Amino acid sequence: KAGVTQTPRYLIKTRGQQVTLSCSPISGHRSVSWYQQTPGQGLQFLFEYFSETQRNKGNFPGRFSGRQFSNSRSEMNVSTLELGDSALYLCASSLSTQLTDTQYFGPGTRLTVL
Amino acid sequence: KQEVTQIPAALSVPEGENLVLNCSFTDSAIYNLQWFRQDPGKGLTSLLLIQSSQREQTSGRLNASLDKSSGRSTLYIAASQPGDSATYLCAVSGNAGNMLTFGGGTRLMVKP
Repeated sequence: KAGVTQTPRYLIKTRGQQVTLSCSPISGHRSVSWYQQTPGQGLQFLFEYFSETQRNKGNFPGRFSGRQFSNSRSEMNVSTLELGDSALYLCASSLSTQLTDTQYFGPGTRLTVL
Repeated sequence: KQEVTQIPAALSVPEGENLVLNCSFTDSAIYNLQWFRQDPGKGLTSLLLIQSSQREQTSGRLNASLDKSSGRSTLYIAASQPGDSATYLCAVSGNAGNMLTFGGGTRLMVKP
């Protein structure tokens, strides 16, 4: 079974631009969560989508948004990029048949904002 | 607000040693606790998941315990190997779906 895939793997943008990252979950998984990882703040939860609906949202500004499609693939968008948005963005998928599901992470997208 | 702390932040041991990584959390109302491994520049690999009703889980040379009432978990690695060198992260989920709160991680180096 294929794992969680994320595209692109690396991205370089300049301040003020916007960016869209994509995540394809493991087949059959309905929940997709996004996390930001930085050296200073560690891993922080962005949001979770389940069956095309945002189920949870972390404490990030409105510049960060996401969506989930009917095939469970998810995208996250960051508008008006800032230098501090440089990070590794990870997505995770789970079956989410109950709250105790294991989450499986993708390799991440490394975003650099210049 | 849930806070997760991992001690130590870094650990260096000779090959073959048994070791313990610690994780503590402030809110005992958790649904589960997961231990992950992260290699440099890579994503996370799930090692063990302990449900809130469980006390421990084992997988090969790894054993994780959970004491929910005291807000603590430990990851025990037996007979460590150089290939175990990585950052180990613990994360807890509450009653809000799959939202995980992570600790800062323990960076482990196992020297040959």
